[in-house]
Amino acid sequence: TQLLEQSPQFLSIQEGENLTVYCNSSSVFSSLQWYRQEPGEGPVLLVTVVTGGEVKKLKRLTFQFGDARKDSSLHITAAQPGDTGLYLCAGGLLNNDMRFGAGTRLTVKP
Amino acid sequence: KAGVTQTPRYLIKTRGQQVTLSCSPISGHRSVSWYQQTPGQGLQFLFEYFSETQRNKGNFPGRFSGRQFSNSRSEMNVSTLELGDSALYLCASSGDSFGEQFFGPGTRLTVL
Repeated sequence: TQLLEQSPQFLSIQEGENLTVYCNSSSVFSSLQWYRQEPGEGPVLLVTVVTGGEVKKLKRLTFQFGDARKDSSLHITAAQPGDTGLYLCAGGLLNNDMRFGAGTRLTVKP
Repeated sequence: KAGVTQTPRYLIKTRGQQVTLSCSPISGHRSVSWYQQTPGQGLQFLFEYFSETQRNKGNFPGRFSGRQFSNSRSEMNVSTLELGDSALYLCASSGDSFGEQFFGPGTRLTVL
């Protein structure tokens, strides 16, 4: 079983729609990162959140870290085809170990 | 600033052979981590090196090993290759031990 559970696993939406993907765990993380990965490439860091309850915005993307630092969400407003990719969350455990979720594969259709 | 580079990008080997993959981190980064990515298992942590020392290790057999040089470049080696070792191997560098990670493009290993 994954330490970090991401949901949904797959998401296919039309351009212009909004969506939220989730990253949940029973473990407490010192930090949590979101990455986007496109086929044939390595993951690209989108954001790091470190404080419980923290909200960060990156253009149309809004990231939230749960108050207890066990979960996070990524909300995309007015999705575009360029948002298509595999979204990965990664949590830093208190012993400096880093764990990744299995990812949410997002497809945005024009 | 140049990003993380990995060589080679693609590799085809047969069962029983061994392979060495190379990673050059971002200049100034001392931490290098290696991951295996497969469709079934996702991104699995192999090990992390920091200042030439292995700091963390994932749950992989001893056939998987690595090292880091004084210039922070890192290599990972897989001996006695198995079909299940076919995967995308990703290297990531960080400015501090397990901080934000910057990934290379990966090496696609196919074992026949």
